[in-house]
Amino acid sequence: KAGVTQTPRYLIKTRGQQVTLSCSPISGHRSVSWYQQTPGQGLQFLFEYFSETQRNKGNFPGRFSGRQFSNSRSEMNVSTLELGDSALYLCASSLEGPNNEQFFGPGTRLTVL
Amino acid sequence: AQSVTQLDSQVPVFEEAPVELRCNYSSSVSVYLFWYVQYPNQGLQLLLKYLSGSTLVESINGFEAEFNKSQTSFHLRKPSVHISDTAEYFCAVSVLSGTYKYIFGTGTRLKVLA
Repeated sequence: KAGVTQTPRYLIKTRGQQVTLSCSPISGHRSVSWYQQTPGQGLQFLFEYFSETQRNKGNFPGRFSGRQFSNSRSEMNVSTLELGDSALYLCASSLEGPNNEQFFGPGTRLTVL
Repeated sequence: AQSVTQLDSQVPVFEEAPVELRCNYSSSVSVYLFWYVQYPNQGLQLLLKYLSGSTLVESINGFEAEFNKSQTSFHLRKPSVHISDTAEYFCAVSVLSGTYKYIFGTGTRLKVLA
């Protein structure tokens, strides 16, 4: 069974631009979560989607948004990029239920210049 | 509100020495507990989990963690570490609160020294 894939793996953008990151979950997983990881703030939860609906949301500004498609693939978008948005963005998928582990992709490394 | 605290941000330890990475959680409802490991330039992967039953759980590479309900802790231990254990370790809880939520700690960077 293929793992979680994220594209692209690396991105370089400039301030003010917008970016879209993509995540393909493991087949059969309907829950997809996004995290931002930085050296200073650690792992921070962005949002979780389940069956095309945002189910949980972290404390990020509205510039961060996401969506999930009917095939469970998910995208996140960051508009009006700031230098502080430079981070590793991780996507994780899981089966439904609190007792299930999350399976992480390798991440997208975003650098904002 | 639920939270996860990893008290140590960095833990240096010599090879073949024992190590304990601490994790405490705060929740008024039942939780499921997880430890994840992140090797350099990779995503996180599950190390072990506690769902129910025996409070001591083990991983295939020699780590173990014990669920202590009275102390709300889930510390990770290994009796003898290897250089290859150098990584960042994250404790996480899954809590049923309306819908269920997954909460990660801030991580502990384990550095194994030769």
